[in-house]
Amino acid sequence: GAVVSQHPSRVICKSGTSVKIECRSLDFQATTMFWYRQFPKQSLMLMATSNEGSKATYEQGVEKDKFLINHASLTLSTLTVTSAHPEDSSFYICSASHPVGTEAFFGQGTRLTVV
Amino acid sequence: AQSVTQPDIHITVSEGASLELRCNYSYGATPYLFWYVQSPGQGLQLLLKYFSGDTLVQGIKGFEAEFKRSQSSFNLRKPSVHWSDAAEYFCAVGGPGNTGKLIFGQGTTLQVKP
Repeated sequence: GAVVSQHPSRVICKSGTSVKIECRSLDFQATTMFWYRQFPKQSLMLMATSNEGSKATYEQGVEKDKFLINHASLTLSTLTVTSAHPEDSSFYICSASHPVGTEAFFGQGTRLTVV
Repeated sequence: AQSVTQPDIHITVSEGASLELRCNYSYGATPYLFWYVQSPGQGLQLLLKYFSGDTLVQGIKGFEAEFKRSQSSFNLRKPSVHWSDAAEYFCAVGGPGNTGKLIFGQGTTLQVKP
């Protein structure tokens, strides 16, 4: 099956710094990728839709200046959490839409802890 | 409003017993329905999906789900649960042509007793 790789799987950063999370489709090209956030014991909430070569589309309530998304190639989307604060600590998961077929494939997630 | 409801937050079953996880959805267009499983600290694995056709769909690991349009439900079932099935289960809905943009339910934690 199609593989989506997310890196890093776990990161700890200091408050005020920025953190970049990568999402790669390893064996297919994805014009569209999605970023989700999951708080402990809660569901996944869509943050934004990442489109290759264009600006991301953010869901209501998501700060686009805080969560910078770049989709510079057909296999890579990045999420940068800028000026991170402890409340940004969460599990971030990406998914990539496969060009053939009808499903998206998920990365393994990134656990971000801001101290 | 579009939403997915999983009424059971936590379910405990004995190993070998049958399982049913409930999912109800509200979606304005033709729903594409999914069940995912998540182990602690891991990403999501697709168990099965429904787009059209036969309303009873078979998935991996012996799971199946039945789409009932009249009840807006897509319940997940397994006839005999294994200890390795203990995990978090999410029901999700998306639309045609945009199956990556999903609305997830709150999740159901499955615990399996030996």
